[in-house]
Amino acid sequence: EAGVAQSPRYKIIEKRQSVAFWCNPISGHATLYWYQQILGQGPKLLIQFQNNGVVDDSQLPKDRFSAERLKGVDSTLKIQPAKLEDSAVYLCASSLRDSIQETQYFGPGTRLLVL
Amino acid sequence: AQKITQTQPGMFVQEKEAVTLDCTYDTSDQSYGLFWYKQPSSGEMIFLIYQGSYDEQNATEGRYSLNFQKARKSANLVISASQLGDSAMYFCAMREAGQNFVFGPGTRLSVLP
Repeated sequence: EAGVAQSPRYKIIEKRQSVAFWCNPISGHATLYWYQQILGQGPKLLIQFQNNGVVDDSQLPKDRFSAERLKGVDSTLKIQPAKLEDSAVYLCASSLRDSIQETQYFGPGTRLLVL
Repeated sequence: AQKITQTQPGMFVQEKEAVTLDCTYDTSDQSYGLFWYKQPSSGEMIFLIYQGSYDEQNATEGRYSLNFQKARKSANLVISASQLGDSAMYFCAMREAGQNFVFGPGTRLSVLP
């Protein structure tokens, strides 16, 4: 079974530029998550989708971050304009369903450096 | 207040020995799930083991076991027979009903040859 795919793996941009990340979850997984992981910290949830609807985006900085999951499969996360503090690893995860015992499976992440 | 506490920023263990990574959590819910993930330097989060709050037995997965002490709100990860490939960051996470995953700050494990 193929895992969660993410691209690009690395991205370097200058502040105020825009950037987009792509995620393809495990086939059949209804729930998709985007996390931000700053160096030396645990991942922090940015947004959760159930199929193509948003379940939780309470920690998403909506003035600059946006995300969508068209057709309930792939998802994109965009940052516009980027700030220095956005430098982090952006992790995508998916799970079969949304429940407390459901394991989340993570992709390899996208390492973003904002200069 | 921190939901997940991992008090050991870094740990060293000799190859082939066992090691315990500590995790304490804070919840008033009766129903919740506890997870451990491994993050090697490549960056991917790898699921290791799950413990449900109602599970009476401690979870085990190969060389990984979870020492679940519900009254103390602790869910320590035990790795037996450490291998060099076990060197990584280890994260404890919790999920309560109606809430999302909360991760601890992690423990960096270094296995010495």
